[in-house]
Amino acid sequence: AQKITQTQPGMFVQEKEAVTLDCTYDTSDPSYGLFWYKQPSSGEMIFLIYQGSYDQQNATEGRYSLNFQKARKSANLVISASQLGDSAMYFCAMSCGMNSGGYQKVTFGTGTKLQVIP
Amino acid sequence: EAGVAQSPRYKIIEKRQSVAFWCNPISGHATLYWYQQILGQGPKLLIQFQNNGVVDDSQLPKDRFSAERLKGVDSTLKIQPAKLEDSAVYLCASSFHSGGSSGANVLTFGAGSRLTVL
Repeated sequence: AQKITQTQPGMFVQEKEAVTLDCTYDTSDPSYGLFWYKQPSSGEMIFLIYQGSYDQQNATEGRYSLNFQKARKSANLVISASQLGDSAMYFCAMSCGMNSGGYQKVTFGTGTKLQVIP
Repeated sequence: EAGVAQSPRYKIIEKRQSVAFWCNPISGHATLYWYQQILGQGPKLLIQFQNNGVVDDSQLPKDRFSAERLKGVDSTLKIQPAKLEDSAVYLCASSFHSGGSSGANVLTFGAGSRLTVL
């Protein structure tokens, strides 16, 4: 069974500094996808970045990068130059496996609450 | 393109009453998901549709929850009768498809429907 673990319930970071949010995963499937979503206080989940299990390069999207270490089964999110608007919950998710209908399942971690300090 | 629409945004009911949530996914998205997010937790998949067929409802409490996706577009999620522990945000999401490459499985979420059961 697939599992996503986020061990940091909360993190603080100074504005303009970089921060790393941890995510480890467990799956026996060779093909899977890893995602990070942001959930501001308004509640809507916003897609940030994706990494495929066969991708050789770490994914980057603007100030977001995904530090993918396959052997360690980790997919940490790095946010560079933090901004006040980055304060939110961040969820790591994995798409893998097949449900009974033959389609991939998307499983979420418990989230990390990031607070950016001015 | 228009996003995922959900209604109502907020609902307060007493236990043992019934409630229904509606979701309209992004046009052309074949896969539709309903997630339950209890305060302080990550989203938990309740049910996943591919077009108008159910492909995963393994975590849906079928004695009280039901969902349908008529004509493979809109979906409704119903709870009857509600319990106190059903208080949560119900998130609807859609994706283009969930089979094949996991890279195509980026979920787009609606704003959510917040349910309070008294």
